[in-house]
Amino acid sequence: GQSLEQPSEVTAVEGAIVQINCTYQTSGFYGLSWYQQHDGGAPTFLSYNALDGLEETGRFSSFLSRSDSYGYLLLQELQMKDSASYFCALSGYSTLTFGKGTMLLVSP
Amino acid sequence: DGGITQSPKYLFRKEGQNVTLSCEQNLNHDAMYWYRQDPGQGLRLIYYSQIVNDFQKGDIAEGYSVSREKKESFPLTVTSAQKNPTAFYLCASSIEGGGVGYTFGSGTRLTVV
Repeated sequence: GQSLEQPSEVTAVEGAIVQINCTYQTSGFYGLSWYQQHDGGAPTFLSYNALDGLEETGRFSSFLSRSDSYGYLLLQELQMKDSASYFCALSGYSTLTFGKGTMLLVSP
Repeated sequence: DGGITQSPKYLFRKEGQNVTLSCEQNLNHDAMYWYRQDPGQGLRLIYYSQIVNDFQKGDIAEGYSVSREKKESFPLTVTSAQKNPTAFYLCASSIEGGGVGYTFGSGTRLTVV
């Protein structure tokens, strides 16, 4: 099977940079995705890494290292609206397997 | 605008009753999925379908059933056999199976009393 580990909570201040780590165990996968979910809402797709390295999308960047079974999401210039839960997810042949999520709390 | 519609947003049922959650998409996506979300548990896959009239069990399919008679629709029935049905249920779709770029609905919060 597949499993992913993320910190349960991360705190940061407005304007700062924060990194949310994700380690995983799997026998094979196609890529690592990141999703954002505001409280009680729909998860929204943020980023996908099929290959090792850094992917940048505006204030968000995501990184994957297959040799280390590790990835992270980097959020820059934090805003209050970034307070949400962030999930990493492994792409299998047919489906996504999600981690338990990291709650990011941004304070003024 | 294209998207996924889940209804209702909140649902209350008595223990022992079956209940069906609706999921409709107008994105012309082939693949559809049902996930269950509990506090601190992340999202767990219940069922998925990659094509009309075909579906597969996910990690926690016991006590649930689905159908895929139309490309646009993927309803989930929570049966009385599901021991802990109270949860937040999320439907998703993607252009093709493979777990990239899911679009999620806004969810149905089911409470069984």
